[in-house]
Amino acid sequence: EAEVAQSPRYKITEKSQAVAFWCDPISGHATLYWYRQILGQGPELLVQFQDESVVDDSQLPKDRFSAERLKGVDSTLKIQPAELGDSAMYLCASSPRTSGRNEQYFGPGTRLTVT
Amino acid sequence: KQEVTQIPAALSVPEGENLVLNCSFTDSAIYNLQWFRQDPGKGLTSLLLIQSSQREQTSGRLNASLDKSSGRSTLYIAASQPGDSATYLCAAQGGSEKLVFGKGTKLTVNP
Repeated sequence: EAEVAQSPRYKITEKSQAVAFWCDPISGHATLYWYRQILGQGPELLVQFQDESVVDDSQLPKDRFSAERLKGVDSTLKIQPAELGDSAMYLCASSPRTSGRNEQYFGPGTRLTVT
Repeated sequence: KQEVTQIPAALSVPEGENLVLNCSFTDSAIYNLQWFRQDPGKGLTSLLLIQSSQREQTSGRLNASLDKSSGRSTLYIAASQPGDSATYLCAAQGGSEKLVFGKGTKLTVNP
Protein backbone atom coordinates (compact mmCIF):
# COMPACT_ATOMS: atom_id res chain seq x y z
CA GLU A 1 0.00 0.00 0.00
CA ALA A 2 1.37 3.42 -0.99
CA GLU A 3 2.37 5.69 1.87
CA VAL A 4 3.55 9.23 2.47
CA ALA A 5 7.24 9.20 3.37
CA GLN A 6 8.90 11.72 5.68
CA SER A 7 12.45 12.17 6.91
CA PRO A 8 14.00 12.48 9.33
CA ARG A 9 11.66 10.93 11.87
CA TYR A 10 13.33 12.76 14.74
CA LYS A 11 15.45 15.89 14.83
CA ILE A 12 17.10 17.66 17.71
CA THR A 13 18.59 21.05 16.99
CA GLU A 14 19.85 24.01 18.91
CA LYS A 15 18.11 27.34 18.94
CA SER A 16 19.15 29.58 16.00
CA GLN A 17 20.23 26.65 13.83
CA ALA A 18 18.67 25.78 10.47
CA VAL A 19 16.62 22.62 10.03
CA ALA A 20 14.93 20.98 7.04
CA PHE A 21 12.28 18.31 6.65
CA TRP A 22 11.49 16.25 3.57
CA CYS A 23 8.23 14.73 2.37
CA ASP A 24 7.48 12.38 -0.52
CA PRO A 25 3.71 12.13 -1.14
CA ILE A 26 1.85 9.16 -2.53
CA SER A 27 2.62 8.84 -6.24
CA GLY A 28 0.21 10.80 -8.38
CA HIS A 29 -1.16 12.92 -5.54
CA ALA A 30 -1.33 16.51 -6.73
CA THR A 31 -2.03 18.19 -3.40
CA LEU A 32 0.51 18.26 -0.59
CA TYR A 33 0.05 19.71 2.88
CA TRP A 34 2.40 20.52 5.75
CA TYR A 35 0.83 20.61 9.22
CA ARG A 36 2.36 21.43 12.60
CA GLN A 37 1.11 19.72 15.74
CA ILE A 38 2.09 21.07 19.13
CA LEU A 39 1.89 18.55 21.96
CA GLY A 40 -1.70 18.18 23.17
CA GLN A 41 -3.17 20.08 20.24
CA GLY A 42 -4.63 19.16 16.87
CA PRO A 43 -2.53 19.68 13.72
CA GLU A 44 -2.68 23.11 12.09
CA LEU A 45 -2.03 23.76 8.41
CA LEU A 46 1.20 25.57 7.58
CA VAL A 47 1.20 25.37 3.79
CA GLN A 48 -0.75 23.70 0.97
CA PHE A 49 0.59 22.98 -2.52
CA GLN A 50 -1.33 22.13 -5.66
CA ASP A 51 1.32 20.59 -7.90
CA GLU A 52 4.26 23.04 -7.54
CA SER A 53 2.14 26.08 -6.65
CA VAL A 54 1.39 27.36 -3.16
CA VAL A 55 -2.37 27.48 -2.57
CA ASP A 56 -2.42 28.52 1.07
CA ASP A 57 0.48 29.67 3.24
CA SER A 58 -1.46 32.11 5.39
CA GLN A 59 -0.36 30.39 8.64
CA LEU A 60 3.28 29.94 7.66
CA PRO A 61 5.65 32.19 9.68
CA LYS A 62 7.39 33.50 6.62
CA ASP A 63 10.16 35.31 8.48
CA ARG A 64 11.68 31.96 9.42
CA PHE A 65 9.82 29.22 7.55
CA SER A 66 9.99 28.37 3.87
CA ALA A 67 8.53 25.54 1.81
CA GLU A 68 9.03 24.39 -1.72
CA ARG A 69 7.81 21.70 -4.10
CA LEU A 70 9.90 22.45 -7.14
CA LYS A 71 8.84 19.63 -9.48
CA GLY A 72 5.41 19.12 -8.02
CA VAL A 73 6.42 15.86 -6.38
CA ASP A 74 8.41 15.86 -3.14
CA SER A 75 8.61 18.84 -0.83
CA THR A 76 10.97 20.43 1.69
CA LEU A 77 10.04 22.53 4.71
CA LYS A 78 12.82 24.65 6.20
CA ILE A 79 13.12 26.61 9.42
CA GLN A 80 15.89 29.18 9.84
CA PRO A 81 16.59 30.12 12.55
CA ALA A 82 14.83 27.59 14.78
CA GLU A 83 13.26 28.85 18.01
CA LEU A 84 12.28 26.98 21.17
CA GLY A 85 8.59 27.40 20.28
CA ASP A 86 9.10 25.45 17.04
CA SER A 87 9.35 22.19 18.98
CA ALA A 88 6.47 20.15 17.58
CA MET A 89 5.50 17.30 15.26
CA TYR A 90 5.62 18.27 11.59
CA LEU A 91 3.20 16.23 9.51
CA CYS A 92 3.00 15.94 5.76
CA ALA A 93 -0.16 14.80 3.99
CA SER A 94 -1.23 14.32 0.38
CA SER A 95 -4.47 13.91 -1.50
CA PRO A 96 -5.32 13.02 -5.08
CA ARG A 97 -6.28 15.53 -7.72
CA THR A 98 -9.75 14.09 -8.25
CA SER A 99 -12.60 15.99 -6.67
CA GLY A 100 -14.98 14.26 -4.34
CA ARG A 101 -13.46 12.48 -1.40
CA ASN A 102 -10.32 14.56 -1.06
CA GLU A 103 -9.23 12.22 1.69
CA GLN A 104 -5.87 13.22 3.12
CA TYR A 105 -3.22 10.61 3.80
CA PHE A 106 -0.64 11.43 6.45
CA GLY A 107 2.98 10.47 6.81
CA PRO A 108 4.63 9.35 10.09
CA GLY A 109 5.75 12.89 10.91
CA THR A 110 9.02 14.48 12.00
CA ARG A 111 9.38 15.18 15.72
CA LEU A 112 11.44 18.37 16.16
CA THR A 113 12.99 19.31 19.48
CA VAL A 114 14.71 22.70 19.74
CA THR A 115 17.08 23.07 22.69
CA LYS B 1 -13.53 30.76 10.86
CA GLN B 2 -14.15 27.05 11.45
CA GLU B 3 -13.64 25.80 15.00
CA VAL B 4 -13.74 22.14 15.96
CA THR B 5 -14.29 20.92 19.51
CA GLN B 6 -13.97 17.41 20.87
CA ILE B 7 -15.53 16.20 24.08
CA PRO B 8 -14.38 14.60 26.30
CA ALA B 9 -10.67 15.42 26.25
CA ALA B 10 -9.92 12.07 27.87
CA LEU B 11 -11.88 8.89 28.44
CA SER B 12 -11.04 5.71 30.34
CA VAL B 13 -13.23 2.63 29.95
CA PRO B 14 -13.04 -1.09 30.76
CA GLU B 15 -12.46 -3.54 27.94
CA GLY B 16 -15.62 -4.59 26.11
CA GLU B 17 -17.51 -1.37 26.67
CA ASN B 18 -19.22 0.47 23.81
CA LEU B 19 -18.31 4.16 23.68
CA VAL B 20 -19.04 7.39 21.84
CA LEU B 21 -16.65 10.20 21.04
CA ASN B 22 -18.10 13.60 20.19
CA CYS B 23 -17.02 16.24 17.70
CA SER B 24 -18.70 19.58 17.03
CA PHE B 25 -17.94 22.22 14.41
CA THR B 26 -19.09 25.82 14.09
CA ASP B 27 -19.41 26.20 10.30
CA SER B 28 -21.82 23.69 8.76
CA ALA B 29 -20.58 24.44 5.22
CA ILE B 30 -18.17 21.53 5.24
CA TYR B 31 -17.12 19.28 2.38
CA ASN B 32 -16.49 16.27 4.56
CA LEU B 33 -15.51 15.21 8.05
CA GLN B 34 -12.67 12.82 8.77
CA TRP B 35 -11.83 10.80 11.88
CA PHE B 36 -8.21 9.88 12.64
CA ARG B 37 -6.38 7.79 15.16
CA GLN B 38 -2.99 8.86 16.53
CA ASP B 39 -0.75 6.65 18.65
CA PRO B 40 1.78 8.40 20.94
CA GLY B 41 4.56 10.06 18.95
CA LYS B 42 3.18 8.78 15.64
CA GLY B 43 1.45 10.18 12.59
CA LEU B 44 -2.27 10.10 11.82
CA THR B 45 -4.15 7.05 10.58
CA SER B 46 -7.39 7.77 8.76
CA LEU B 47 -10.32 5.82 10.19
CA LEU B 48 -13.42 7.10 8.44
CA LEU B 49 -14.37 9.90 6.08
CA ILE B 50 -17.95 11.09 5.81
CA GLN B 51 -18.94 13.18 2.81
CA SER B 52 -21.27 16.11 3.49
CA SER B 53 -24.07 14.29 1.65
CA GLN B 54 -23.73 11.19 3.83
CA ARG B 55 -25.14 10.50 7.28
CA GLU B 56 -22.75 7.79 8.43
CA GLN B 57 -19.87 5.49 7.58
CA THR B 58 -18.93 2.14 9.07
CA SER B 59 -15.68 0.20 9.24
CA GLY B 60 -15.56 -2.90 11.39
CA ARG B 61 -16.32 -1.93 14.99
CA LEU B 62 -16.30 1.77 14.13
CA ASN B 63 -19.29 3.84 13.07
CA ALA B 64 -19.17 7.57 12.42
CA SER B 65 -22.23 9.75 11.98
CA LEU B 66 -22.60 13.28 10.68
CA ASP B 67 -25.33 15.84 11.33
CA LYS B 68 -24.38 18.95 9.38
CA SER B 69 -27.37 20.99 10.47
CA SER B 70 -26.43 20.68 14.14
CA GLY B 71 -22.69 20.79 13.49
CA ARG B 72 -21.99 17.44 15.12
CA SER B 73 -20.31 14.15 14.43
CA THR B 74 -19.91 11.11 16.63
CA LEU B 75 -17.55 8.16 16.50
CA TYR B 76 -19.00 4.99 17.97
CA ILE B 77 -16.60 2.20 18.98
CA ALA B 78 -18.19 -1.15 19.74
CA ALA B 79 -16.74 -3.72 22.09
CA SER B 80 -13.63 -1.69 22.90
CA GLN B 81 -10.24 -3.42 23.18
CA PRO B 82 -6.96 -2.35 24.83
CA GLY B 83 -5.52 -1.96 21.32
CA ASP B 84 -8.02 0.84 20.72
CA SER B 85 -6.15 3.01 23.21
CA ALA B 86 -4.98 6.10 21.33
CA THR B 87 -5.93 9.70 20.67
CA TYR B 88 -8.84 10.16 18.28
CA LEU B 89 -8.99 13.34 16.22
CA CYS B 90 -11.79 14.68 14.08
CA ALA B 91 -11.23 17.17 11.30
CA ALA B 92 -13.61 19.21 9.17
CA GLN B 93 -12.77 20.02 5.57
CA GLY B 94 -14.26 23.09 3.96
CA GLY B 95 -13.96 24.58 0.51
CA SER B 96 -10.33 25.53 0.99
CA GLU B 97 -9.53 21.81 1.34
CA LYS B 98 -7.49 22.30 4.48
CA LEU B 99 -8.48 20.21 7.48
CA VAL B 100 -9.42 21.99 10.71
CA PHE B 101 -8.77 19.66 13.62
CA GLY B 102 -10.09 19.34 17.12
CA LYS B 103 -7.68 18.79 20.00
CA GLY B 104 -8.58 15.12 20.21
CA THR B 105 -9.96 12.66 22.74
CA LYS B 106 -7.40 10.47 24.50
CA LEU B 107 -8.94 7.02 24.94
CA THR B 108 -7.65 4.42 27.38
CA VAL B 109 -9.19 0.95 27.35
CA ASN B 110 -8.30 -1.01 30.47
CA PRO B 111 -7.94 -4.81 30.31
